[in-house]
Amino acid sequence: SQQGEEDPQALSIQEGENATMNCSYKTSINNLQWYRQNSGRGLVHLILIRSNEREKHSGRLRVTLDTSKKSSSLLITASRAADTASYFCATDAGGGTSYGKLTFGQGTILTVHP
Amino acid sequence: EAQVTQNPRYLITVTGKKLTVTCSQNMNHEYMSWYRQDPGLGLRQIYYSMNVEVTDKGDVPEGYKVSRKEKRNFPLILESPSPNQTSLYFCASSLGTGVGYTFGSGTRLTVV
Repeated sequence: SQQGEEDPQALSIQEGENATMNCSYKTSINNLQWYRQNSGRGLVHLILIRSNEREKHSGRLRVTLDTSKKSSSLLITASRAADTASYFCATDAGGGTSYGKLTFGQGTILTVHP
Repeated sequence: EAQVTQNPRYLITVTGKKLTVTCSQNMNHEYMSWYRQDPGLGLRQIYYSMNVEVTDKGDVPEGYKVSRKEKRNFPLILESPSPNQTSLYFCASSLGTGVGYTFGSGTRLTVV
């Protein structure tokens, strides 16, 4: 079953603008992760936020987590054409034999125009 | 270089002909996982493994088998492939819970 659902499904912006993607999930989590995928290639891990954290930064990335609303957002500031990719959130529910078992959302396709 | 290596990258096969997609990681990771990616359906987990000889079904295990006899290897076996298993497959590994996964470059499988 798909745990994470992302919004919007597609986002088109100009270089230099900020891009915000949202992720909602259904059950309690141990952590939430964001990945990037360039067309047809392997996913690259961007950032992980634990369930007891509310915000995390990494370079131009800012991730927030609201466990009461079961939602997360990924903000990419000052976007570049090279940021064009699909972005996925993935939840790690943890617990028992499920530790490290990730469930992915369907992704947001980001297009950054030069 | 730390990486997850999948082979082959591309494979066209016929219905019913057994095949194995290999996956190997050189990072001494405990966790390994197989996903398939299909348009409109995102990534769906097939099987995952928390350690040697410890495997568990993911969301779409039907038609697939795995084994984890060594820490570094996690092959995906299709005993009798069918056209609905045509997909892009990814292997991934992680040091453990609370750490991100490293993904392989993918195997594009076509079953005719």
